[in-house]
Amino acid sequence: GQQLNQSPQSMFIQEGEDVSMNCTSSSIFNTWLWYKQEPGEGPVLLIALYKAGELTSNGRLTAQFGITRKDSFLNISASIPSDVGIYFCAGPNSGGSNYKLTFGKGTLLTVNP
Amino acid sequence: GAGVSQSPSNKVTEKGKDVELRCDPISGHTALYWYRQSLGQGLEFLIYFQGNSAPDKSGLPSDRFSAERTGGSVSTLTIQRTQQEDSAVYLCASSPVAGSDTQYFGPGTRLTVL
Repeated sequence: GQQLNQSPQSMFIQEGEDVSMNCTSSSIFNTWLWYKQEPGEGPVLLIALYKAGELTSNGRLTAQFGITRKDSFLNISASIPSDVGIYFCAGPNSGGSNYKLTFGKGTLLTVNP
Repeated sequence: GAGVSQSPSNKVTEKGKDVELRCDPISGHTALYWYRQSLGQGLEFLIYFQGNSAPDKSGLPSDRFSAERTGGSVSTLTIQRTQQEDSAVYLCASSPVAGSDTQYFGPGTRLTVL
């Protein structure tokens, strides 16, 4: 089946630093989604990307849909302690089932105040 | 408004017992999904409900797993004869339209099988 590979697996940064993480696949995705999960909570959708090359921002977060349709990255600028959590990329499986999402294993972000 | 709620938040059971996990979707959302999240892993799709249509059960890992959705609202995921490998967080999500990739997740039920 389709797989999404996220890197890095974990990051430990100082407050105020910028962060970049990415997600790659061996197969094409037509939609890229970025979620954040905090401890004891379900994932929350941060950004959705629907078009190759698309660059979308949500506050200090920016995500891009790669031109090849096989990758996406998420940047966080000027990190703050509440950015701590696990960041997942996800996308609908091929075959027309938009609801059947494939998730990466996540990037664990720790921000040191 | 209220988000997706799940109960219980934590469940500890003994191997071989049956468990029921409950999900209350956001009011008015027509689609409901169940996912499983094992430790250190991403989410794994289990099942999808949409209105009165037959559910998509293609993600259920074995016939010990079943789910139903009554009245187009509340859903129950049942795991029979639980095994230790069933230990995971079970997440429910709902969306306002059918087959949407924009899904709103509940906090999950953490299941531990001893």
